[in-house]
Amino acid sequence: ETGVTQTPRHLVMGMTNKKSLKCEQHLGHNAMYWYKQSAKKPLELMFVYSLEERVENNSVPSRFSPECPNSSHLFLHLHTLQPEDSALYLCASSQGARGQSPLHFGNGTRLTVT
Amino acid sequence: AQTVTQSQPEMSVQEAETVTLSCTYDTSENNYYLFWYKQPPSRQMILVIRQEAYKQQNATENRFSVNFQKAAKSFSLKISDSQLGDTAMYFCALRNNAGNMLTFGGGTRLMVKP
Repeated sequence: ETGVTQTPRHLVMGMTNKKSLKCEQHLGHNAMYWYKQSAKKPLELMFVYSLEERVENNSVPSRFSPECPNSSHLFLHLHTLQPEDSALYLCASSQGARGQSPLHFGNGTRLTVT
Repeated sequence: AQTVTQSQPEMSVQEAETVTLSCTYDTSENNYYLFWYKQPPSRQMILVIRQEAYKQQNATENRFSVNFQKAAKSFSLKISDSQLGDTAMYFCALRNNAGNMLTFGGGTRLMVKP
């Protein structure tokens, strides 16, 4: 298996649930990202993990908690979400977190918060 | 801060014809990289083409080419001999050489008609 794999593909959760999104990359990259894609809005960078640093968008609510145990795996832990958090969550990886390194994306997790 | 603007929310083109998608951007940096990504209904973002700002020559990848106008901060994508499989959302993106943030435009939905 190659590329960037995200699970689950679809997730429906209530506002009081706790769930996690998983991302795994098989490209030997050393940087991983979480993006949020909402309808009629540009993709929003949530978190970046690389060898050098972790970067987060300060506008991301604390109910989203990332975890990166190694360079191949990335999680997004979700708790007490709101309906407006419903979106497509895209994971990506790259070789290096700067400059010309293109991002390779997974197929995303479609999250619906009820 | 850097911004990317795609002024065409939707476009359509007849199969085998040529279409150009517009993108303008703003950045205070002099060294940066520009990308076009394609997102088909499968949801996976796929890199189409990239351009280094320090290169004057426009990038080309098979049927895809760009018109990079650095002074005007314009980066349009031309698709020649359009195919039905080109139907997708197309996103323009910008990344500064020193930064780890890939900033996306709002996207253009392209429909190729038979």
